[in-house]
Amino acid sequence: EAQVTQNPRYLITVTGKKLTVTCSQNMNHEYMSWYRQDPGLGLRQIYYSMNVEVTDKGDVPEGYKVSRKEKRNFPLILESPSPNQTSLYFCASSYLAEPTDTQYFGPGTRLTVL
Amino acid sequence: KQEVTQIPAALSVPEGENLVLNCSFTDSAIYNLQWFRQDPGKGLTSLLLIQSSQREQTSGRLNASLDKSSGRSTLYIAASQPGDSATYLCAVRGGSEKLVFGKGTKLTVNP
Repeated sequence: EAQVTQNPRYLITVTGKKLTVTCSQNMNHEYMSWYRQDPGLGLRQIYYSMNVEVTDKGDVPEGYKVSRKEKRNFPLILESPSPNQTSLYFCASSYLAEPTDTQYFGPGTRLTVL
Repeated sequence: KQEVTQIPAALSVPEGENLVLNCSFTDSAIYNLQWFRQDPGKGLTSLLLIQSSQREQTSGRLNASLDKSSGRSTLYIAASQPGDSATYLCAVRGGSEKLVFGKGTKLTVNP
């Protein structure tokens, strides 16, 4: 089954404790992206990757890191989480550069930083 | 900078009613526009994707239209059902792969 998986689905942590949210897709997509969703602000892009070893900042990259060492995986790293990073995070993937291609979204990771 | 607006923010209708959700965007230079459905605590499910060269797309009881020149799209839901209750998100893709989302319309269909 074609899917985007994220782990963990729920995470409660404390300020400053490094964490990683994993994202994996099984569709051989070149493009992967992270979004965060906040009430009243909607979905905003954090980082994206056009292919292996190619990553770039989205609209709200501060406080986040990503890596793309393999095509299928795109982990989101919070080196020193802060309470303002409490949010619902989504990973997405798609083929590149085709107007007909939809983006597939993972189920989301709800992160709470105390 | 592309901005996407969805009106209304919330909508409550009785079962069986036909309804229209609205989406507007500020930059008409788009590749495509997508409508997504989001259930509480869940991810996003793509409903319809309209390419910039198309005027509309249909899937079952759903019909999405696109008027690129005016920067508008509508999602028409026929014969609404309680199972249609969800938040509906509109997203446009411009020159990059990035999707710019509206804030959504929360739909409640009452039995």
